[in-house]
Amino acid sequence: GAGVSQSPSNKVTEKGKDVELRCDPISGHTALYWYRQSLGQGLEFLIYFQGNSAPDKSGLPSDRFSAERTGGSVSTLTIQRTQQEDSAVYLCASSLGWGEQPQHFGDGTRLSIL
Amino acid sequence: DQQVKQNSPSLSVQEGRISILNCDYTNSMFDYFLWYKKYPAEGPTFLISISSIKDKNEDGRFTVFLNKSAKHLSLHIVPSQPGDSAVYFCAAHTGTASKLTFGTGTRLQVTL
Repeated sequence: GAGVSQSPSNKVTEKGKDVELRCDPISGHTALYWYRQSLGQGLEFLIYFQGNSAPDKSGLPSDRFSAERTGGSVSTLTIQRTQQEDSAVYLCASSLGWGEQPQHFGDGTRLSIL
Repeated sequence: DQQVKQNSPSLSVQEGRISILNCDYTNSMFDYFLWYKKYPAEGPTFLISISSIKDKNEDGRFTVFLNKSAKHLSLHIVPSQPGDSAVYFCAAHTGTASKLTFGTGTRLQVTL
């Protein structure tokens, strides 16, 4: 498709399990971002990838969170040993390059931790 | 520390009237501002933006105003339509970082 694609759209898992969320950015976009939106909150920055540069991980809330971007395209966000406070909508966005706006968002993955 | 604030969680406007959504920020390093619209179960969709070197940007029914001295921006929608009913997020960006800082959103309801 032409837009940012995220999968799964919904994920329900038990506390303590690991989860992987996937993002496929718009073709040709070198910048990729992960945000999350907790209930009643705005979007919170998590991590940013630009080409082959080291990612900006400054928004990751704990070391249980990690992300990688393979081949400069698809990205996976991994949450280990999930906690109930990890429940949120995880949104991926891409843009043409560093500092380029706007960022284009996928529809997100709604993560629920039981 | 909420650097971008949308103090009105909700707004109701009659169809055909003007909708005004407000946003305040505290970080003077922000130099680019964006408005996104979000429907339930969908990702945010870019609406309109403004650079800090301007004080107004217009695109059809949508106009964004920036008052740098007051660290305030607003989105005007005129005339408002029922399809405009959504959550609107204000976001800001600095020249030294690519990430966006978002407000908490304002839910706009346009009534018939």
